Amino acid sequence: GENVEQHPSTLSVQEGDSAVIKCTYSDSASNYFPWYKQELGKGPQLIIDIRSNVGEKKDQRIAVTLNKTAKHFSLHITETQPEDSAVYFCAASAYSGGSNYKLTFGKGTLLTVNP
Amino acid sequence: DSGVTQTPKHLITATGQRVTLRCSPRSGDLSVYWYQQSLDQGLQFLIHYYNGEERAKGNILERFSAQQFPDLHSELNLSSLELGDSALYFCASSVAAANYGYTFGSGTRLTVV
Repeated sequence: GENVEQHPSTLSVQEGDSAVIKCTYSDSASNYFPWYKQELGKGPQLIIDIRSNVGEKKDQRIAVTLNKTAKHFSLHITETQPEDSAVYFCAASAYSGGSNYKLTFGKGTLLTVNP
Repeated sequence: DSGVTQTPKHLITATGQRVTLRCSPRSGDLSVYWYQQSLDQGLQFLIHYYNGEERAKGNILERFSAQQFPDLHSELNLSSLELGDSALYFCASSVAAANYGYTFGSGTRLTVV
């Protein structure tokens, strides 16, 4: 099955700096890659996603890049703010039989933005 | 509010007991996924239902079972509970069974004592 590796497990940055989180996946058939943000006491929230037919996608201060050949994708957050502090999860959509897919998640990155 | 409702938010129970966690998906979503989140294992996929039918199983123990009802709400039943079952249990829903992002509920925190 699909395996998703995420690095780093913790990341501390100063407010205003950029943060980069990287993920690799194992199943070359995976073609959908969402990123989730989880704040304390809440469920994961989808913040951005990318499909395998594009290499980069941006949404204000957040961007995701995908390298299908190398099977890795990254989340970039620019001009970080204290409210960006949370756990971030990457995921890859893996085929689970029939016409069904399921998301396999990385272990998460705890991002701390220091004022 | 994500639109996915999970109850109860917190549950404390003793070893050996049985509990039921409930999930109401977002309006219009036919797929329901259950995930277990623990500090050491991260988000682990348990089971997927689509329009009432089981579609995929992940790392779900035999002591655990689930179902999706005609009104599309889902229940996760955990029996013969062990200390190691203490975790956050999330339900997520999506429009279909294909490549779409999930909308997660706020979870049920289960503590087994």
